[in-house]
Amino acid sequence: GAGVSQSPSNKVTEKGKDVELRCDPISGHTALYWYRQSLGQGLEFLIYFQGNSAPDKSGLPSDRFSAERTGGSVSTLTIQRTQQEDSAVYLCASSSGFPTDTQYFGPGTRLTVL
Amino acid sequence: KQEVTQIPAALSVPEGENLVLNCSFTDSAIYNLQWFRQDPGKGLTSLLLIQSSQREQTSGRLNASLDKSSGRSTLYIAASQPGDSATYLCAVGGQTGANNLFFGTGTRLTVIP
Repeated sequence: GAGVSQSPSNKVTEKGKDVELRCDPISGHTALYWYRQSLGQGLEFLIYFQGNSAPDKSGLPSDRFSAERTGGSVSTLTIQRTQQEDSAVYLCASSSGFPTDTQYFGPGTRLTVL
Repeated sequence: KQEVTQIPAALSVPEGENLVLNCSFTDSAIYNLQWFRQDPGKGLTSLLLIQSSQREQTSGRLNASLDKSSGRSTLYIAASQPGDSATYLCAVGGQTGANNLFFGTGTRLTVIP
C-alpha cells in the first residue's frame, strides 16, 4: 500500500517568507509526527498528533512554527517568517498510534532559506 | 532529556565482513528501540523494532540486541554487501504521552566492493 508522502520534496524560500509543508500519512494511522533533521545533527522531534487529542507541541523550537491536522489525516507544518537556521529536512512519520508500534517515515521536504 | 549516542560516526569495511554498530541511551525508561537506515536524499526505512521487554530481533542478515538496564543496543550486520552502505540511525521511544522518538546522530557505513 501507499506509504507516507510529503510535499513539496524541495522548497527554497527567502528569509522572512512563510512556508507550508504537507504530509499525507498512511491510511488508517492515527498518530502523526513531525521531525526536523538539520545538517550534521540528529533528527529532532517537533510535534505529535494522536487521533482527536490535543497535539503535543513540546518540540516546536519557536512560536513561528505551527502545525495542524485536518480530519485526522493530512497534516500541514507552517513556518512563519522563515530564518536561515530553519533550513533543514523536515520529516513526517505515522504509526497506528499504539505506543510500541513502528513509525513509518516519508521522504522528507528539504527546506532552504536564503 | 533522553540522549542517544552512536559510535562510530563512520565505518568502512570490505564486502563480506560482519560488523557491529553501537547505540547507547541515557534513560532506560523506554517503550522501544528502532534501527533505521537512511540513504542519501531519502527518508528513513525501519529495519528492526525491539520492544522494551525484548532482548533482540532478527531480520535476514540483521540482528539487533537491547540491554535496557545498561542503556545499550547493537546492530549486527552479517556478510556485509555494498548495498548496505547507508547511514544507520538508532532511535528510542520514550515513556511519555507523545511516544516520540529520540534519535542518535547515526553511523555512516560504507561497504567497499
